[in-house]
Amino acid sequence: QSVLTQPPSVSGAPGQRVTISCTGSSSNIGAGYDVHWYQQLPGTAPKLLIYGNNNRPSGVPDRFSGSKSGTSASLAITGLQAEDEADYYCQSFDSGLSGSDVFGTGTKVTVL
Amino acid sequence: QVQLVQSGAEVKKPGASVKVSCKASGYTFTSYGISWVRQAPGQGLEWMGWTSANNDYTNYAQSLQGRFTMTTDTSTSTAYMELRSLRSDDTAVYYCARPGMAVPGSSMDVWGQGTTVTVSS
Repeated sequence: QSVLTQPPSVSGAPGQRVTISCTGSSSNIGAGYDVHWYQQLPGTAPKLLIYGNNNRPSGVPDRFSGSKSGTSASLAITGLQAEDEADYYCQSFDSGLSGSDVFGTGTKVTVL
Repeated sequence: QVQLVQSGAEVKKPGASVKVSCKASGYTFTSYGISWVRQAPGQGLEWMGWTSANNDYTNYAQSLQGRFTMTTDTSTSTAYMELRSLRSDDTAVYYCARPGMAVPGSSMDVWGQGTTVTVSS
């Protein structure tokens, strides 16, 4: 059972803005650990989308942005496109249980 | 280019062991660690563990301790994961990934293509 909670699904029409939340606690996001985001298209390996809370790797469109506040983080997708339909996961570190990386529960983004 | 190439699909019986390889290329293997992540059918991502390239530091997910071992061979730039006493709920796609930095909670910027492990009698 993941310690980072995400909404199971979000949806939006092409061109709209959607946000995905990642809710943690004082032992992970709230402790100051960075949050990263991944996009996983069907049948493929995850792809790094945002690292260090709000940084985009080279090649990731600026339609994707990340933020972090307190014990939560968010991923925003502006100008939603059909190709953005995928599963999205947040990742951080949790200092409990001897310390381990943790992933969020995952969010399915549907483009209407 | 930087890539991680994993070994092929495996079918195992309950109680058996499986070993998956992950060959790195396009970068200096000893400058990064390797993480392992798995994904059961229709489920989310589960972090399994992290090892430094020379195996002098490892961190295992508590849920897998005792059944799971990570090793590396720096002479061939290859990482391995072995899971023992397999159960049906170990059926999953197993990924290796490269953490960008040698610190806990680092992002993983390069991923292998995944290896499907099926546990079935």
